[in-house]
Amino acid sequence: GEQVEQRPPHLSVREGDSAFITCTYTDPNSYYFFWYKQEPGASLQLLMKVFSSTEINEGQGFTVLLNKKDKRLSLNLTAAHPGDSAAYFCAVRGTGGYKVVFGSGTRLLVSP
Amino acid sequence: ETAVFQTPNYHVTQVGNEVSFNCKQTLGHDTMYWYKQDSKKLLKIMFSYNNKQLIVNETVPRRFSPQSSDKAHLNLRIKSVEPEDSAVYLCASSYRVGQDTQYFGPGTRLLVL
Repeated sequence: GEQVEQRPPHLSVREGDSAFITCTYTDPNSYYFFWYKQEPGASLQLLMKVFSSTEINEGQGFTVLLNKKDKRLSLNLTAAHPGDSAAYFCAVRGTGGYKVVFGSGTRLLVSP
Repeated sequence: ETAVFQTPNYHVTQVGNEVSFNCKQTLGHDTMYWYKQDSKKLLKIMFSYNNKQLIVNETVPRRFSPQSSDKAHLNLRIKSVEPEDSAVYLCASSYRVGQDTQYFGPGTRLLVL
């Protein structure tokens, strides 16, 4: 079945810097991809849902890149600010079964 | 706006006791999930129900059992809790199976002494 590896597990950046998080997956036919954000003490909330047909997806203050050739999903937080400090999870919907497989999470700390 | 509700928020109990967690969604979704999130934030799917039918049943100890009375409710019972059951249990729902955004509840934090 689908396997998802997320890196790095911890990331510390300064305010204004970029933060880059990557997930690699195994099923080449995966077609739905998600990024979730979990703020301290809160539950997960969707940042962005991406379809396999779109490689570059712009959000507010971030970009999600999908490289199907390398089976890589990336989240780039541009000009991070302290409010971005949270845990970020990727999730991938493969072709087998009903599961959406989550990455192991990245804890991002943005310091002033 | 909260649309996935979980009770209780916290629960402290002793080894060997039975606990039950409740989850309700008001989004009209067909699919509901239970996840376990450990102290390292690792998220593991435990069960998934679609229209009251169990569709995902991961390898979890038999002391865990889900219960669904209708598609808006999915409860989780743990019979005879163990220390390793201490975690946050997250309930989620989605419109359809797999491809849709999951909406998560606030979680139930369980501490087993």
